[in-house]
Amino acid sequence: GNSVTQMEGPVTLSEEAFLTINCTYTATGYPSLFWYVQYPGEGLQLLLKATKADDKGSNKGFEATYRKETTSFHLEKGSVQVSDSAVYFCALSDPNTNAGKSTFGDGTTLTVKP
Amino acid sequence: DSGVTQTPKHLITATGQRVTLRCSPRSGDLSVYWYQQSLDQGLQFLIQYYNGEERAKGNILERFSAQQFPDLHSELNLSSLELGDSALYFCASSGTESYNEQFFGPGTRLTVL
Repeated sequence: GNSVTQMEGPVTLSEEAFLTINCTYTATGYPSLFWYVQYPGEGLQLLLKATKADDKGSNKGFEATYRKETTSFHLEKGSVQVSDSAVYFCALSDPNTNAGKSTFGDGTTLTVKP
Repeated sequence: DSGVTQTPKHLITATGQRVTLRCSPRSGDLSVYWYQQSLDQGLQFLIQYYNGEERAKGNILERFSAQQFPDLHSELNLSSLELGDSALYFCASSGTESYNEQFFGPGTRLTVL
C-alpha cells in the first residue's frame, strides 16, 4: 500500500537558518505529492504541491521537487522565520487508487527561535 | 479560510456518552474526509465519503460512524466514548481535480472526562 515517511522531529532552528525536512514515499502508480502546514491551534493547509515527476512546488519561500528516481519530496527553505514555526506534513494522493484518499506522514514539528 | 466549516469548535463530555460532530465542505466539493489527531498518534485517517457514499475506510473504530447527507454536509458520530478518544477531529473536503488537494476545517477539539 501507499506510505509516507517523514524526517522525525522536532526540529529547532535559529532565524535565517536553512531548512530541510526529508520526505520519502511508497506508492503504486503516479501519485501527486503535497506538503501541508499546521500552525498552532489551526487546521492543516496546503503549502505546496507537485503532480508529476520533476515538478517543483513552491510557496512562501518553501520549495520541494518531485523526485521519482529517489521517491522523495524534500521540503526546503533558504531562510526560516519565527513565523514558520508549525507542524509540517508530507502527503501523497494516488488518483488511481483509494478514490483520492491522501496518505499523510507523521508530521515534523519545526520551532524557529529568534 | 479554507471554506470548510466544522461545529462545534470544542466539546467536553463524559465517558460512555455519545457526540456528533458536523462538517460542511467547500461549496461544490463532493468528497469529505474525517481525521483524528492525537498527540501520540499523529493524523489518522478515519473515513471518506463521496457524494453520499462511503468511499474509503481507515482506522475507524466500530464505536464511530459517519454519513454524508444529500446537501453534502457530513456528520461523525462517536459513541461509548473513552478517555482515549480525546483528540482533535478534522474534516477535509476535495473537489474533482485529479490531484485531490484537501481543504481542512478548523477542527473540533473533543475532551472526554
